[in-house]
Amino acid sequence: DGGITQSPKYLFRKEGQNVTLSCEQNLNHDAMYWYRQDPGQGLRLIYYSQIVNDFQKGDIAEGYSVSREKKESFPLTVTSAQKNPTAFYLCASSKSGVRIPNTEAFFGQGTRLTVV
Amino acid sequence: AQSVSQHNHHVILSEAASLELGCNYSYGGTVNLFWYVQYPGQHLQLLLKYFSGDPLVKGIKGFEAEFIKSKFSFNLRKPSVQWSDTAEYFCAVLIRDDKIIFGKGTRLHILP
Repeated sequence: DGGITQSPKYLFRKEGQNVTLSCEQNLNHDAMYWYRQDPGQGLRLIYYSQIVNDFQKGDIAEGYSVSREKKESFPLTVTSAQKNPTAFYLCASSKSGVRIPNTEAFFGQGTRLTVV
Repeated sequence: AQSVSQHNHHVILSEAASLELGCNYSYGGTVNLFWYVQYPGQHLQLLLKYFSGDPLVKGIKGFEAEFIKSKFSFNLRKPSVQWSDTAEYFCAVLIRDDKIIFGKGTRLHILP
């Protein structure tokens, strides 16, 4: 089945440690995204990537880093510089292009990160 | 900066009531527009989308939305809600460079 896989579902880390969240898609989508979901804040864009080896900062990129070495994979690292890392993280992918009929974002199940 | 505004953060309705959730975006270029729904404990699902053509789009479960370009709006409607529509609803816009921006969401609670 095609889809987006995020792992792990739950993640606990000690304060000051970097942690990497995995996101893999087998939908052959060009674009991939990372969002952070907090109660009352909706989904805020952290980073996104249109193609391999390229990515752009979203609205809340500080304290995060990403890589896009393969089309299928877009891992997110939450660094120790992120002041409030405890949150629910969502990865998404889409076919590229505005005005493309089948462009929509498909989401993974999310990773809940708790930093203690 | 580009943004998406959802006017209602929390809506409570009785079953069979009509629903309209407001969504406005700030971006002057070409857009694709979406409404997503997140049922309790589930991941985000697409309700409907607009990319071109007829500004009135129909989605799953009896939902529809109207794109009014002059108002930069994409309001979601349903004539008669059901208890199973209890969920959080997100409006989103795809702009240049494949950037997708979401609103803060509207929690809809349907009373049985």
